[in-house]
Amino acid sequence: DAGITQSPRYKITETGRQVTLMCHQTWSHSYMFWYRQDLGHGLRLIYYSAAADITDKGEVPDGYVVSRSKTENFPLTLESATRSQTSVYFCASSPVAGTEAFFGQGTRLTVV
Amino acid sequence: AQTVTQSQPEMSVQEAETVTLSCTYDTSESDYYLFWYKQPPSRQMILVIRQEAYKQQNATENRFSVNFQKAAKSFSLKISDSQLGDAAMYFCAYRSIGYSGGGADGLTFGKGTHLIIQP
Repeated sequence: DAGITQSPRYKITETGRQVTLMCHQTWSHSYMFWYRQDLGHGLRLIYYSAAADITDKGEVPDGYVVSRSKTENFPLTLESATRSQTSVYFCASSPVAGTEAFFGQGTRLTVV
Repeated sequence: AQTVTQSQPEMSVQEAETVTLSCTYDTSESDYYLFWYKQPPSRQMILVIRQEAYKQQNATENRFSVNFQKAAKSFSLKISDSQLGDAAMYFCAYRSIGYSGGGADGLTFGKGTHLIIQP
């Protein structure tokens, strides 16, 4: 199906483990983003990418790694998960700079 | 860096009435986009309305309209004839025009307003 999909939808992991959240879009949008949503903070930008092989840090990048070898995929890796990284993670994409972003369904990650 | 402020953590309105959600932002840029997103309990982020800063005319989408005051850096959302399906979190967001790198190219969100619709 066309659109932007995230996997998994739910994930429970242990402190110190590496975990990767996947994001795939079928629109060939240039921009892709990772946000985290926490109560009282709204959505905060973790990393984004303006094109394949171009990534930039957002507001809260510490503890996260991204890559974008293909336009359609933008995985987010937590190298050593901590409890403070328990959150809902959203992937989004947009065709060009300045326009609205289209969001995936979100991944609820719990670090125990 | 741009900031977006939503000063109303929660609002309540009777079904069929009108409600206005407030949003202010801070920027030194002259051209940009502003958005309102709706997030129902399903967690999906849904674009409600978009406003381009260079357009003086306020955007309208059916029952949803905005009051964009560029000089005051204010961008409120008015929902007319409120319906039960409008109950959700509403987020105001800002985005710069063009690519500048350095973390400045994503959407900047406010903390949200929880809208309750009373039947």
